[in-house]
Amino acid sequence: DAKTTQPPSMDCAEGRAANLPCNHSTISGNEYVYWYRQIHSQGPQYIIHGLKNNETNEMASLIITEDRKSSTLILPHATLRDTAVYYCIVRVFGAGNKLTFGGGTRVLVKP
Amino acid sequence: SAVISQKPSRDICQRGTSLTIQCQVDSQVTMMFWYRQQPGQSLTLIATANQGSEATYESGFVIDKFPISRPNLTFSTLTVSNMSPEDSSIYLCSATGQSTDTQYFGPGTRLTVL
Repeated sequence: DAKTTQPPSMDCAEGRAANLPCNHSTISGNEYVYWYRQIHSQGPQYIIHGLKNNETNEMASLIITEDRKSSTLILPHATLRDTAVYYCIVRVFGAGNKLTFGGGTRVLVKP
Repeated sequence: SAVISQKPSRDICQRGTSLTIQCQVDSQVTMMFWYRQQPGQSLTLIATANQGSEATYESGFVIDKFPISRPNLTFSTLTVSNMSPEDSSIYLCSATGQSTDTQYFGPGTRLTVL
């Protein structure tokens, strides 16, 4: 699986949009971009995934650049409960394909 | 989405003993996985639990240390054998549903070895 690079930490203000970047310059054509988050002392929570089109669900939006070498996870209105470590993972689609976690971005939402 | 539970949620064990962690999914799933998260670190995959056959272990993990069972499509166990303080970690189970590629995680088991 391609490697991802994320900033180790970032702060954002409650109520504002949080934009989390991820670089995956070696991504291959059949690899999807997945985002998970891990709130303290809990198991990772799936957020969203995409291949090349932008995606949106009730939790977040995923913007993937045209060359697919980077992406941004957008939390539209960050709340204190969004404080967590966010992981960007690239992975070939398929139930048997494992997730490889990097260091992630530690996001602190401040009042 | 699949709802995953783990037992125990936490335990404190003595060096040299073994602990078996249970993972139960509320629906039939295709794949089940076991991860370890050492203090302050990210998640590392231990193995894929295969139904009806031996688990597939990642580099650095062996069956004698981490025996895994998966007797059916909704249940798996991970045993941490002959524990040492270095085994103190959070152990997490995950699963992929039959109609989706998305992996869902259990709440984890926090293990402390004294």
